This record gives sequence, structure tokens and C-alpha cells, in this order.
Amino acid sequence: DAGVTQSPTHLIKTRGQHVTLRCSPISGHKSVSWYQQVLGQGPQFIFQYYEKEERGRGNFPDRFSARQFPNYSSELNVNALLLGDSALYLCASSTNSQGRYEQYFGPGTRLTVT
Amino acid sequence: LAKTTQPISMDSYEGQEVNITCSHNNIATNDYITWYQQFPSQGPRFIIQGYKTKVTNEVASLFIPADRKSSTLSLPRVSLSDTAVYYCLVGGADSWGKLQFGAGTQVVVTP
Repeated sequence: DAGVTQSPTHLIKTRGQHVTLRCSPISGHKSVSWYQQVLGQGPQFIFQYYEKEERGRGNFPDRFSARQFPNYSSELNVNALLLGDSALYLCASSTNSQGRYEQYFGPGTRLTVT
Repeated sequence: LAKTTQPISMDSYEGQEVNITCSHNNIATNDYITWYQQFPSQGPRFIIQGYKTKVTNEVASLFIPADRKSSTLSLPRVSLSDTAVYYCLVGGADSWGKLQFGAGTQVVVTP
């Protein structure tokens, strides 16, 4: 089975622009989470979506938004890009198996803001 | 969510056993302990999860004392490919899908 896929792999944007990142979860997984990982730090939680509804939001500004589609794929949108938004954006999917909190991560999208 | 403390880095030689201890003094009754591994420019990968005592799988062992205030990830006979960052996470049902990563432990394995 295919793992979590993300697109694009790399992206270069200019300050003030908007970006959309895409994620396809593992087949059968209904939960998608987004994380931001700045170089040298651990991933930071941004959003979780489950069954197309937002289930959690991390400490990120309103410039960050996301949505989940009926096929459980997801988009992360970032408006008015800042230099500090340069990071690896990770998507993770999981099943609703309470008692086991394993998440499956994609390879990430490397965003560079210039 | 319980905070965790783990060493910033550890060095080892091939074939040795690597033990990474994580402190989580404020762990809640319903919290599990989970470890992830991350290679450069890749997403983290689940290694092992446990609640108490000892858990072993094909990759690692996880030792959890009775008070659960710490845990030790044991990697037997490491190879160069085990060079990675290892993250210790603590959380229960409320953290499902909302993992809180710390800085992790950079493990470097040399020949």
C-alpha cells in the first residue's frame, strides 16, 4: 500500500505570497494532521482534521488554514508568507484506534520563502 | 500534555547498544509513551509505544519503571543507518493526531 504522499516536494515563494500544500493519507485513514518543522527543531503541530472537521489547532496565526476533502485528502494553506515560514511541512495520517497513537508521516514539503 | 526531557545528543559505535532515557515527571495516568525516529529531510517514523514495564519489537525495546516518570529506549547493536534524531513523546487519547515533539536526541553512529 502507498504511504502518505505530499506535493509538491519543494517550493520557493516570495514574501507576501500564498501557498497551498497537499496531502493524501494512507488508504482507510480518516485523520490527517499537519506539522511544521523548522531546521534543527522538532515538528510543531499545526492542525488535525478528522472526518472533514477540524479536531485541533496548534499555536499558529490565522494565516494558516487547512481543510479536508471527502476522500480524506487535505490541503494546508498559508497566506501572506513570511521568511519565518520557511520550513519542512509534514503531513501525517492515522486511524481512529484509541489506545494506539501511531501516526504515519509523509516525506514533507520543503518550503523556502525569499 | 506532559513535557519530556531527553539528551540533546549521543554518540555510539557500530554494534553497540544505545540507550536513550527520557524524563516525563508529570505523566498522566492515561498517557502512553511513544518514540519516533527521524532521518534528515524525512518525516518521523513510529518506533515503539508502551504504557508500563517492558515492550519489545523487532527494532527496539522500551523500558518503563513502575513510577512511569521516565522511560528508556534501547536500540540493540546499532548500525550506521541508525544515525537519526529520536523523539520521546507522552500523551493519551487527547493527544491523538496532535503530537507534541520536543527537540529530540541526535544519535550518531560511527564505524
